[in-house]
Amino acid sequence: ETGVTQTPRHLVMGMTNKKSLKCEQHLGHNAMYWYKQSAKKPLELMFVYNFKEQTENNSVPSRFSPECPNSSHLFLHLHTLQPEDSALYLCASSQYPGQGALIDTEAFFGQGTRLTVV
Amino acid sequence: GQQVMQIPQYQHVQEGEDFTTYCNSSTTLSNIQWYKQRPGGHPVFLIQLVKSGEVKKQKRLTFQFGEAKKNSSLHITATQTTDVGTYFCAGRASNYQLIWGAGTKLIIKP
Repeated sequence: ETGVTQTPRHLVMGMTNKKSLKCEQHLGHNAMYWYKQSAKKPLELMFVYNFKEQTENNSVPSRFSPECPNSSHLFLHLHTLQPEDSALYLCASSQYPGQGALIDTEAFFGQGTRLTVV
Repeated sequence: GQQVMQIPQYQHVQEGEDFTTYCNSSTTLSNIQWYKQRPGGHPVFLIQLVKSGEVKKQKRLTFQFGEAKKNSSLHITATQTTDVGTYFCAGRASNYQLIWGAGTKLIIKP
């Protein structure tokens, strides 16, 4: 148990479906992240939220839509996905020390959602 | 763009042999973190290096941060089956982006 909980653990969806992934952290952190992990790109940062504001969007297609209603919850809304979007989606949280700080705090990862698009 | 190259992609070793993975950044890093991901698991933080030339040890694991703060290595002495997994480095760039290496998978030969 890392303090970061992701649901569901497994998801199979059709290309025309709409689904959402949920992440909840109980660590009091102020930064949350979505990562995609597949055989092609082992760990790919998708979105970063600091203090509920999105600060990074690494050229992610619009069929992925993040939402961060508060510092403890993060969602990834999915619609009209493609089979190549099948991957493990990992959520992580950390305490953002402020821009310019030399020292980071460690990131805690959830167990991930294994997504299969059929 | 800024990149962190991590090599090798895979390393097969006999149990008891040593293992090393290297990360090289195209730019100077503020710090570098190392994570381990067991098969079927999620990345777990191992350590952070901040200072130029820093060396840290955790039992059989030795972590180094280069003098120019552009490269780092993780060395495991006398590998054990519990060391199996993928080791990732993640470097904090000057624009505050966190850049991940592609990971090195440690495989113990049967």
